[in-house]
Amino acid sequence: GENVEQHPSTLSVQEGDSAVIKCTYSDSASNYFPWYKQELGKRPQLIIDIRSNVGEKKDQRIAVTLNKTAKHFSLHITETQPEDSAVYFCAASTAGANSKLTFGKGITLSVRP
Amino acid sequence: KAGVTQTPRYLIKTRGQQVTLSCSPISGHRSVSWYQQTPGQGLQFLFEYFSETQRNKGNFPGRFSGRQFSNSRSEMNVSTLELGDSALYLCASSLWSTSGGNEQFFGPGTRLTVL
Repeated sequence: GENVEQHPSTLSVQEGDSAVIKCTYSDSASNYFPWYKQELGKRPQLIIDIRSNVGEKKDQRIAVTLNKTAKHFSLHITETQPEDSAVYFCAASTAGANSKLTFGKGITLSVRP
Repeated sequence: KAGVTQTPRYLIKTRGQQVTLSCSPISGHRSVSWYQQTPGQGLQFLFEYFSETQRNKGNFPGRFSGRQFSNSRSEMNVSTLELGDSALYLCASSLWSTSGGNEQFFGPGTRLTVL
């Protein structure tokens, strides 16, 4: 089955700096890659997603890039703010009858004011 | 629209007991997925129900089961509880099944503690 790994497991950046979180996946048939943000004590929420027919997607300070050949995708956050501090989960899924969303273990991002 | 709701929010049980958790999806959503969240393990997929049928199942023992009703509400049952079942159980709903890469909306979770 699909295996999704996230690196690093924790990341600390200074406010205003950029943060990059990388995920790798194992199933070359995966075609949907969402990123979820979970603030402390709250539910995970989708912040951005990308499909395999696109190499990059941006939404204000957040962007996601996908490298299908290397089977990895990354979340880029620019001009980080303290409210960006949270756990970020990447996930991958295939299409089809037996597909499921497989999550990575999460990365804790801390933005130092 | 009201968001995904889960009941109860907190549960304390003892080993060997069984427990039933409930999830009400966003109105109109037909898919409900269940996840177990533990520190260091992230979100582990339990199963997904779509139109009252189990679409897929994760790598959990048969003690974990679920069902979905005609109104899309879903329940998850864990029998013969073990200490290692202590976790946050999250459900997520989506308009269609996850096979189409549809956004999942999570509930607040049920915190289960097994003593």
